[in-house]
Amino acid sequence: NAGVTQTPKFRVLKTGQSMTLLCAQDMNHEYMYWYRQDPGMGLRLIHYSVGEGTTAKGEVPDGYNVSRLKKQNFLLGLESAAPSQTSVYFCASTGTDFYQPQHFGDGTRLSIL
Amino acid sequence: AQTVTQSQPEMSVQEAETVTLSCTYDTSESDYYLFWYKQPPSRQMILVIRQEAYKQQNATENRFSVNFQKAAKSFSLKISDSQLGDAAMYFCALYGNKLVFGAGTILRVKS
Repeated sequence: NAGVTQTPKFRVLKTGQSMTLLCAQDMNHEYMYWYRQDPGMGLRLIHYSVGEGTTAKGEVPDGYNVSRLKKQNFLLGLESAAPSQTSVYFCASTGTDFYQPQHFGDGTRLSIL
Repeated sequence: AQTVTQSQPEMSVQEAETVTLSCTYDTSESDYYLFWYKQPPSRQMILVIRQEAYKQQNATENRFSVNFQKAAKSFSLKISDSQLGDAAMYFCALYGNKLVFGAGTILRVKS
């Protein structure tokens, strides 16, 4: 029973490089989310999706892009990484709405040098 | 705007004792939900408890209970009979028209 799986778990990038974080869920959830977690700031929503083929901006979307081509997958892209994007990234999903309990992945620690 | 404030960056409790983590919030929504999530060192976020604002009865889940004071916009988490496995970062969260998390409280449990 995998739940929410994030790939990779750790990554180090140089400034200006690009990369994609993958989130996969096997619970048939409609809603998926990408958060970043920084010390003293809790979790902040980057982008979210309310269903296959849809995406929307969250609280801190600048510098990130997302895609939801398949219901079970939600990709987070960094086109030109910056040191300010060093963070721990979490993917989460809920069945049909924000107010339902979120199921989180294990997180991805990303360092930008 | 929605805000969530956790005023205690860090708390300590002796094993088997009781501890209360504070959370205050602000929202203009009349209908909203409040959550406490636990993040152990393994990093995975786990839902501890959820409270619907329209329910007056405080939510409980085994050793975890909340004190929901709607007028005061307060939502504290009480952990009874604390165990070593309760050591974690605890986040308070609010969903009104969007989901907002507090900055977190680190809970240390002493044996």
